[in-house]
Amino acid sequence: QVQLQQWGAGLLKPSETLSLTCAVYGGSFSDYYWSWIRQPPGKGLELIGEMNLSGFGNYNPSLTSRVTISIDTSKNQFSLNLSSVTAADTAVYYCAREVSTLTYFDSWGQGTLVTVSS
Amino acid sequence: AIQMTQSPSSLSASVGDRVTITCRTSQDISSALAWYQQKPGKAPKLLIYDASSLESGVPSRFSGSGSGTDFTLTISSLQPEDFATYYCQQFNNFLTFGGGTKVEIK
Repeated sequence: QVQLQQWGAGLLKPSETLSLTCAVYGGSFSDYYWSWIRQPPGKGLELIGEMNLSGFGNYNPSLTSRVTISIDTSKNQFSLNLSSVTAADTAVYYCAREVSTLTYFDSWGQGTLVTVSS
Repeated sequence: AIQMTQSPSSLSASVGDRVTITCRTSQDISSALAWYQQKPGKAPKLLIYDASSLESGVPSRFSGSGSGTDFTLTISSLQPEDFATYYCQQFNNFLTFGGGTKVEIK
């Protein structure tokens, strides 16, 4: 049974870079896409981006200029960097396993609340 | 971008009730729809994919139906652990989520 465990800084100042990492335990690491999704407080869900081990993936067009998703196959981990954050980036960030490119998510991390405040 | 409209945005129901949640999309997405359940402070949990396929381990009281632009999630007999927020998500054209339906205790 796959488990996703994520970590990263929870408090940032405007203009800083958000960095989160997600470790995958169990299951295949190579057969899926690995994704980041966020949820502003009290609001709905938004895909940030996805990536597979071959480096193929997609970013949300509204975030693509600020987002990088990378994968470390030696550690079964993947990471999110979101640059130049503002208060609008305050949200709970989730890592998730995606069955295939731009499909649905069958396993999720526990979530990390990231607050952007001066 | 495909717009997703869930209704109602919230509902009150009792244990044992049959509950129906609707998701409407702004264009035809065939059967490219998933449903999730989210409890406070927790990550979403996949319930239904491809509009009507039940995810492994999900109780059979949950069912999904529909195709094209109109979809339904039904809970046949609401249980105490089902009080949560439910989201639909389309994956026909990029990927977007509905606004959610909060199911509360009556």
